[in-house]
Amino acid sequence: QSVLTQPPSASGTPGQRVTISCSGSSSNIGSGTVDWYLQLPGTAPKLLIYGHNQRPSGVPDRFSGSKSGTSASLAISGLQSEDEADYYCAAWDDSLNGYVFGTGTKVTVL
Amino acid sequence: EVHLLESGGGLLQPGGSLRLSCAASGFTFSSYGMTWVRQAPGKGLEWVSGISGSGTNTYYADSVKGRFTISRDNSKNTLFLQMNSLRGEDTAVYYCAKNIVVAGSPLDYWGQGTLVTVSS
Repeated sequence: QSVLTQPPSASGTPGQRVTISCSGSSSNIGSGTVDWYLQLPGTAPKLLIYGHNQRPSGVPDRFSGSKSGTSASLAISGLQSEDEADYYCAAWDDSLNGYVFGTGTKVTVL
Repeated sequence: EVHLLESGGGLLQPGGSLRLSCAASGFTFSSYGMTWVRQAPGKGLEWVSGISGSGTNTYYADSVKGRFTISRDNSKNTLFLQMNSLRGEDTAVYYCAKNIVVAGSPLDYWGQGTLVTVSS
């Protein structure tokens, strides 16, 4: 049972902006940074956002992250068909002394 | 180019043991933390264990603590996961991943995964 909660699904039409939330606690999101991963069907996850809204090389700036208190959000602007995937938030948890993933959100492009 | 290749998965009975390996290349292996993440069929990601670059510090999820052991051989650029007392709920694809810096930091490179199936 994950300590980071995400909505199971989100959707939008091409070109729209979609936002995914991630709710945690003071021992994880509230005390550090949040990372976001994307997983296309049948493939390994890929790092999308880390630290203070940093993107690895090759990740378009359509993806952005934010944090407020014990919650975080991933925004996808200019939604494209190739963005259809599962998205996971993650953070280090000081109480568990481990890295925790969110429950995951499936993004569908209508 | 960073490359991670897991091996050692398979089908085994409850109570059995298995050792997974992850061969790394394309970076200075001993300078980075490494991590195992698993994904049960049709389910989300679950962090399993992490280890520091030197191998001195190790971390485990409560679900595997006392049963799994993470280790590394920096002379062979290889990460391991020794899994004992396996249960049905350990059935998953196991991914090896490289930390950006230290154990617990974001995971910037992942292997393709190896499937472990625990069933009688």
